[in-house]
Amino acid sequence: EAQVTQNPRYLITVTGKKLTVTCSQNMNHEYMSWYRQDPGLGLRQIYYSMNVEVTDKGDVPEGYKVSRKEKRNFPLILESPSPNQTSLYFCASSLLSALPHTDTQYFGPGTRLTVL
Amino acid sequence: AQSVSQHNHHVILSEAASLELGCNYSYGGTVNLFWYVQYPGQHLQLLLKYFSGDPLVKGIKGFEAEFIKSKFSFNLRKPSVQWSDTAEYFCAAESYNTDKLIFGTGTRLQVFP
Repeated sequence: EAQVTQNPRYLITVTGKKLTVTCSQNMNHEYMSWYRQDPGLGLRQIYYSMNVEVTDKGDVPEGYKVSRKEKRNFPLILESPSPNQTSLYFCASSLLSALPHTDTQYFGPGTRLTVL
Repeated sequence: AQSVSQHNHHVILSEAASLELGCNYSYGGTVNLFWYVQYPGQHLQLLLKYFSGDPLVKGIKGFEAEFIKSKFSFNLRKPSVQWSDTAEYFCAAESYNTDKLIFGTGTRLQVFP
């Protein structure tokens, strides 16, 4: 089954404790992206990647890191989480329809992160 | 700055009522346009998309959207909503100039039986 998976689905942590949220897709998509969803603000893009070893900042990259060592995986790293990073995070992947533009994005189930 | 605006933040309808959700984007030039839906507790799913061609796009579950270039709009419509359409709806646009996909802030739709 074609899907985007994220782990963990729920995470409660404390300020400053490094964490990683994994994202994996099995559709051989070139494009992958991380979003955070906050009430009244919709989805905002954190980072995206057009292909292996190619990553770029989205609209709200501060406090986050990503890596794309393999096509299927795109982990989101919070080196020193802070309470303002409490949010619902979605990973998404997509084919690139006409480079470098994306086609339909397929979203993971979300990771609800709480930073105390 | 490029942006996507959804002016209806919260819409409440009775079943069988008609729906129109507004979406405006601020980009110039060629754009790809999308509507995504998020049912309660679920992830986002694509409703429909516009890349080129016929500006009236039909999607899943009876939804359609019309691209009006002169108005920079891509409004979502459904002639008769159902209780199961209760969800949050997001418009998104990608400019060919920047290849960034930007989402609107979403519209929460509640449909009462």
